[in-house]
Amino acid sequence: GNSVTQMEGPVTLSEEAFLTINCTYTATGYPSLFWYVQYPGEGLQLLLKATKADDKGSNKGFEATYRKETTSFHLEKGSVQVSDSAVYFCALSVGNTPLVFGKGTRLSVIA
Amino acid sequence: NAGVMQNPRHLVRRRGQEARLRCSPMKGHSHVYWYRQLPEEGLKFMVYLQKENIIDESGMPKERFSAEFPKEGPSILRIQQVVRGDSAAYFCASSPPDDRREQYFGPGTRLTVT
Repeated sequence: GNSVTQMEGPVTLSEEAFLTINCTYTATGYPSLFWYVQYPGEGLQLLLKATKADDKGSNKGFEATYRKETTSFHLEKGSVQVSDSAVYFCALSVGNTPLVFGKGTRLSVIA
Repeated sequence: NAGVMQNPRHLVRRRGQEARLRCSPMKGHSHVYWYRQLPEEGLKFMVYLQKENIIDESGMPKERFSAEFPKEGPSILRIQQVVRGDSAAYFCASSPPDDRREQYFGPGTRLTVT
């Protein structure tokens, strides 16, 4: 089956620190990969995506590269801000199948 | 362009009552998805609908839960005879017909069963 595993949180960082949130997947078929962000009290927002191997998705300073050889899609940001505090979800979809989400990683950035 | 709208945002029901959750997709979107998020968990797919059709309900509990997306009006997720274990956040997402992978989420309905 299809599944996503992401690092457990919470992750607490100081402002301007480097962020990495690990995500690995298993999939039958060729998945598209996504990162979603959920701010407190809100729904999920698509942060970035990649649809084929070696693609790099990027948005708002966040990046993730689709690594087929390691079945990974790690999220990175060079310098986090307090406003980045949220829960981050890695997800995949194969063809027209429903999105499969990881359990989420809570990030807290302190000034 | 208004995003996906859900109401109510918060819903409190006593055990045994019915809960009705509504979702209006983004303009131009004809595909609707419902997900459930339990505390400290990721989202779990429940059902995927197009207008007047249920396409995939593989994630729906077999009893008490139903969903519809009528020709006119919002999509409705109905939970009959709610139990405490139904307490969760329920999110609706919609996608355009040409790219079902790109889903846009509503703010969710937080259901509390007392």
